[in-house]
Amino acid sequence: NAGVTQTPKFQVLKTGQSMTLQCAQDMNHEYMSWYRQDPGMGLRLIHYSVGAGITDQGEVPNGYNVSRSTTEDFPLRLLSAAPSQTSVYFCASSYGGGDQPQHFGDGTRLSIL
Amino acid sequence: GESVGLHLPTLSVQEGDNSIINCAYSNSASDYFIWYKQESGKGPQFIIDIRSNMDKRQGQRVTVLLNKTVKHLSLQIAATQPGDSAVYFCAEGSGYALNFGKGTSLLVTP
Repeated sequence: NAGVTQTPKFQVLKTGQSMTLQCAQDMNHEYMSWYRQDPGMGLRLIHYSVGAGITDQGEVPNGYNVSRSTTEDFPLRLLSAAPSQTSVYFCASSYGGGDQPQHFGDGTRLSIL
Repeated sequence: GESVGLHLPTLSVQEGDNSIINCAYSNSASDYFIWYKQESGKGPQFIIDIRSNMDKRQGQRVTVLLNKTVKHLSLQIAATQPGDSAVYFCAEGSGYALNFGKGTSLLVTP
């Protein structure tokens, strides 16, 4: 049982480039979410999904897009990377949203030059 | 807006001692709270959770206490071990998401 798998683990981009951060879970969880973590801060919610075909914005959605075509996958897209998006990105999944433990992947460390 | 905060950013304890990590929350309507442990280079790992209809819950070497009157949450770790060194986050349920505090770094010294 792999849990939540994120790829890549590390990435360096130039300003203006685009990329997709991948997230997959094998626990048949309906709820998935993306957070970013900046130094000395907690995790902030970017986008979330309560099931296939349904997504919504979190606290810091600007500059990011998501889609949820399957239960297992929830990719996060940066359309035009900016230095302010340098961060560690975590994907999580759970049976519920704010009333259930969320299971996290090990993160993608992203640097924008 | 609502916020979740921690009283201390760092905590140093000796191996074998008990550790207490505190957390304040401001949303009196929150009914779900959770503690995570995060080791360097890893994602947050679930430790223990508690719902607002309880004031105490115990796990293996960990206890979470909830005081709804003063909106305070604490995590107690018994007989702290070197492997407990990590950053600990509290979070409160907020709609479809968890609202995280900034974290407390726990350092266990021999």
